[in-house]
Amino acid sequence: SAVISQKPSRDICQRGTSLTIQCQVDSQVTMMFWYRQQPGQSLTLIATANQGSEATYESGFVIDKFPISRPNLTFSTLTVSNMSPEDSSIYLCSVYKKLARNEQFFGPGTRLTVL
Amino acid sequence: AQSVTQPDIHITVSEGASLELRCNYSYGATPYLFWYVQSPGQGLQLLLKYFSGDTLVQGIKGFEAEFKRSQSSFNLRKPSVHWSDAAEYFCAVGSGGGADGLTFGKGTHLIIQP
Repeated sequence: SAVISQKPSRDICQRGTSLTIQCQVDSQVTMMFWYRQQPGQSLTLIATANQGSEATYESGFVIDKFPISRPNLTFSTLTVSNMSPEDSSIYLCSVYKKLARNEQFFGPGTRLTVL
Repeated sequence: AQSVTQPDIHITVSEGASLELRCNYSYGATPYLFWYVQSPGQGLQLLLKYFSGDTLVQGIKGFEAEFKRSQSSFNLRKPSVHWSDAAEYFCAVGSGGGADGLTFGKGTHLIIQP
């Protein structure tokens, strides 16, 4: 399994500002992902965080809005830039470990409210 | 493109009754299928998964799911629900067994009546 922590767990931010969310895993993982869960909605994949290279973004998500870093095999950050109320969501980090028998583990999420 | 449909937004079941949550998927190859549960204020927890072999898979908390290729379905079942099962349930599909990002359904909100 994997123990995943996210910081902050929640935040309230002003329009136009940026917030960086951290994801820390207790062991080295092969893949790290970032998802968004808008209020009352399902999870949508934002991007795959690649270690040592640029993240791979899904359609509808761009690097300027959601810059991602992954400096090593246990840590990643997602920044939500120039926020608007539409960015109010839960942001979740997930990880995949090769030896974990086809399972993706999710962090507890960061609840973001933009005023 | 892959997609997941959960036709039921809300389901209400009496405690002790049986449960079936529906999931239909669209995927070009053999899919990796997952059911996750999200309790209020909690993260996502994997209930069970399917990627090959026996089409009836057993999961945690007494849940099971059956993969039916002909119907493109992966319905979740439980013979007797408990009040603690009240939560949001998500069906998801992916390739690479979780090594790629997952596509989630919109979720089914399960309400347990006493």
